[in-house]
Amino acid sequence: EVQLVESGGGLVQPGGSLRVSCEASGFTFSSYIMSWVRQPPGKGLEWVSSLSGSGGDIYYADDVKGRFTISRDNSKNTLFLQMNSLRAGDTALYYCAKDYLLAFDAWGQGTMVTVSS
Amino acid sequence: QSALTQPRSVSGSPGQSVTISCTGTSSDVGGYNYVSWYQHNPAKSPKLIIYDVIKRPSGVPDRFAGSKSGNTASLTISGLQADDEADYFCCSYAGTHNFVIFGGGTKLTVL
Repeated sequence: EVQLVESGGGLVQPGGSLRVSCEASGFTFSSYIMSWVRQPPGKGLEWVSSLSGSGGDIYYADDVKGRFTISRDNSKNTLFLQMNSLRAGDTALYYCAKDYLLAFDAWGQGTMVTVSS
Repeated sequence: QSALTQPRSVSGSPGQSVTISCTGTSSDVGGYNYVSWYQHNPAKSPKLIIYDVIKRPSGVPDRFAGSKSGNTASLTISGLQADDEADYFCCSYAGTHNFVIFGGGTKLTVL
């Protein structure tokens, strides 16, 4: 069974940094594109970033480019999102998602990131 | 990078059919056959119900059907059931620059 478990969310001040993680199991992690998708409170889903299985292809939404860094450790089946220069607008539930033919066929339960002073 | 356009809400009675539209551009929905749809209930994770415009993952009933015409994709749910009540999001591949883009979401109410 595919499982994705996010962790690392919390309260951070504007301008601060946070790293969230996603531990995967139940599939060959290194073979799949992995992504971060977020949902601000009361709003819809927003794609944040995606990373190929080898780590060679990286994609970011314009809103986070230059501030967020996606990475993965295939030896530990773990996906990361380093978030710097955080803004109030980054407040959201951050989901980790597994790719299947450019769709997302498995999602974690999400980790909440709140940016507030 | 604007979100794909979906109606904010739709509704139907049990047994009826509803269709949710998802309008993009030739750079996303119209340019690729990589449209997916997700069912999202509060306090749960999103669930993939349609991929590649028309395909259903194993376990998704055939009451859910996807289609596309030009820059607009659609999700039709037939034989509405009470537990279909949820938020529905479309998503499309948008090329190597923007990668993927979501719709704003549609709240389905089963009357």
